[in-house]
Amino acid sequence: VQLVESGGGLVEPGGSLRLSCAASGFRFHTALMSWVRQAPGKGLEWVGRIRDRSDGATTLYGAPVKGRFTISRDDSKNTLYLDMNSLKTDDTAVYYCATDRGDLDNWGRGTLVTVSS
Amino acid sequence: QSVLTQPPSVSGAPGQRVTISCTGSSSNIGADYDVHWYQQRPGLAPKLLIHSNSNRPSGVPDRFSASRSGASASLAITGLQEEDEADYYCQSYDNTLGGFLIFGGGTKLTVL
Repeated sequence: VQLVESGGGLVEPGGSLRLSCAASGFRFHTALMSWVRQAPGKGLEWVGRIRDRSDGATTLYGAPVKGRFTISRDDSKNTLYLDMNSLKTDDTAVYYCATDRGDLDNWGRGTLVTVSS
Repeated sequence: QSVLTQPPSVSGAPGQRVTISCTGSSSNIGADYDVHWYQQRPGLAPKLLIHSNSNRPSGVPDRFSASRSGASASLAITGLQEEDEADYYCQSYDNTLGGFLIFGGGTKLTVL
């Protein structure tokens, strides 16, 4: 199993960014996936999850990002996405994607998002 | 402030045993949701250490064990080794506000 995040970088407050997570080594199209973030020097915070297509690819989000962030997936590309809008300085963090069985059994290495003017 | 409460730090000498607690409430651990534990070494991604309250994934030494009782859970590490120095997080599910995954605030383990 391999998960590789990309798309992080520096963005101004109020801006937008799209993160990607390229998956390989498992049946991505049947996997429930989550995004988790970690602010510098802080603990882990769950961002949200997306179910597989058989479950309607439904999404669920944590309160701090609900209405601003959108999780989607492209099963033809084995890729998970996180679209982030109206970014705030508090969104500065390393963002990880993970396979989600209820526990998060496989993690990527993360991509750093810095929100600053 | 995390929904699951962990001590900020614990420490122990090599060879000793330490425990890390994780306290929840009636909407998460107390509602019979599973607890999972992660180890995060400095600069690395978290790694699943224990799943479903007490189960070790393949490759995790049996020095690591965990249990759940009521609205709390605990992780025990026996025969401490220097390589165990890391941050440890508990994780569960909470059924309020539509349901969401929750983490403890994390515990820094220092091997003296």
